[in-house]
Amino acid sequence: DIQMTQSPSSLSASVGDRVTITCRASQGIRNDLGWYQQKPGKAPKRLIYAASSLQSGVPSRFSGSGSGTEFTLTISSLQPEDFATYYCLQHNSYPGFGGGTKVEIK
Amino acid sequence: QVQLVQSGAEVKKPGASVKVSCKASGYTFTSYDINWVRQATGQGLEWMGWMNPNSGNTGYAQKFQGRVTMTRNTSISTAYMELSSLRSEDTAVYYCASGYWFDPWGQGTLVTVSS
Repeated sequence: DIQMTQSPSSLSASVGDRVTITCRASQGIRNDLGWYQQKPGKAPKRLIYAASSLQSGVPSRFSGSGSGTEFTLTISSLQPEDFATYYCLQHNSYPGFGGGTKVEIK
Repeated sequence: QVQLVQSGAEVKKPGASVKVSCKASGYTFTSYDINWVRQATGQGLEWMGWMNPNSGNTGYAQKFQGRVTMTRNTSISTAYMELSSLRSEDTAVYYCASGYWFDPWGQGTLVTVSS
């Protein structure tokens, strides 16, 4: 099975900060990676698919990059509504999620 | 609009089975796989398996092999996930999600396993 290591597991940031979250795959997965945002009590929401394609309707401050084994989700200027938990999902073999990153208010 | 609507919360005793439904609307149900994901309280997301609604083919995570069954009824655009031999560790919110890139998601179904 492909393991996804997501870091950090949590971070504190202020509104307006640039935030970067990383996922590393245990083996190459080309660009078969998505990013999801989850708020408390809600289902996850897709932000990015195929590593760097922005889901329709998602603000352009969100971006994804990477290929192979290392991937990043960047929020260019953190907004109040972005405080949430973020997960990566690999789909190269049977799907698997990263452990999540909780973005909290500093 | 495209959406998945899941069945309501369940309370089950250890050893019992639970069957959660996921009704699709706003798109052709047989066009996209349905995935099932669960999340224990305060924990991360765990993929359980997928089903192709057109063929009925399935693929399950090794952890759930032998305990999970995913089926569908195409006439009512509904997918089902049945988990048997429940134990307390199966207490979680269970989600369905459509397509290769898991979008959209159902609202989640809380399954509580307690004696």
